[in-house]
Amino acid sequence: GAVVSQHPSRVICKSGTSVKIECRSLDFQATTMFWYRQFPKQSLMLMATSNEGSKATYEQGVEKDKFLINHASLTLSTLTVTSAHPEDSSFYICSASPAISTDTQYFGPGTRLTVL
Amino acid sequence: KNQVEQSPQSLIILEGKNCTLQCNYTVSPFSNLRWYKQDTGRGPVSLTIMTFSENTKSNGRYTATLDADTKQSSLHITASQLSDSASYICVVSEMTYKYIFGTGTRLKVLA
Repeated sequence: GAVVSQHPSRVICKSGTSVKIECRSLDFQATTMFWYRQFPKQSLMLMATSNEGSKATYEQGVEKDKFLINHASLTLSTLTVTSAHPEDSSFYICSASPAISTDTQYFGPGTRLTVL
Repeated sequence: KNQVEQSPQSLIILEGKNCTLQCNYTVSPFSNLRWYKQDTGRGPVSLTIMTFSENTKSNGRYTATLDADTKQSSLHITASQLSDSASYICVVSEMTYKYIFGTGTRLKVLA
C-alpha cells in the first residue's frame, strides 16, 4: 500500500516550453502533497506544499509563477514548469501524506527533467 | 537553525562487510527521525522511523539507533550486498511535520 506514482519519469524539452509533471497517490487519499527538486549529489529541497482545493505554499526563493502547482483532487497534484530554461533541469520528486497519517510522506519515483 | 548533518559524505566497502552511518540533528521540537534509501534516479524509500522514546529499530539487515539526549542517530548495515549501493538520507520531522533532510551518505558496495 501507500504507492505514489509520477508521470513522466523522464522528459526532455526545448528552452521556452512548458512541462507538466503529474503526481498520483494510487491507493490512498492525500490531503497534502509536496514537491521537491534534487540536484546531483545533493539532498531534496522542498519547493512547495499543496493541500487539496487550496493554493500551494511555496518555499522562500521558489517562483510561484514559474512553478505552477495544482492539487485539484485528493489523489492528483501537478507541477507545471513554465517557460523552462536549462537551469531548471533537475530531478523533481513529489510526496503525498494520507489523511490518516499527516506526519508521513510517501515519495514518488521522481521525474528527470532536461531542458535543452 | 534546524539542521541535519550526516557523515561520512561517502563510503566504499566490500560486499559482506558491515558499516555504520551517522546522523546528528539540531531540530526542535523533535517529532520523529527516519532513514531513507535512495537509489540513483529514484525516489526515497523508507527504511525505519523512530519516535522520541525509541532507541532501536530494525528492518532486516538495517538497524537504526536514536539517542534523543545527544540528538544522534546511526544506521547500521549488516552483511552488505551490492544492492545496498545507494544514498542513505536521514530525515528529522518537526512537530509541524515538516521534513528536514540531511545531505545523505553515498554508499558504494564493491564485489
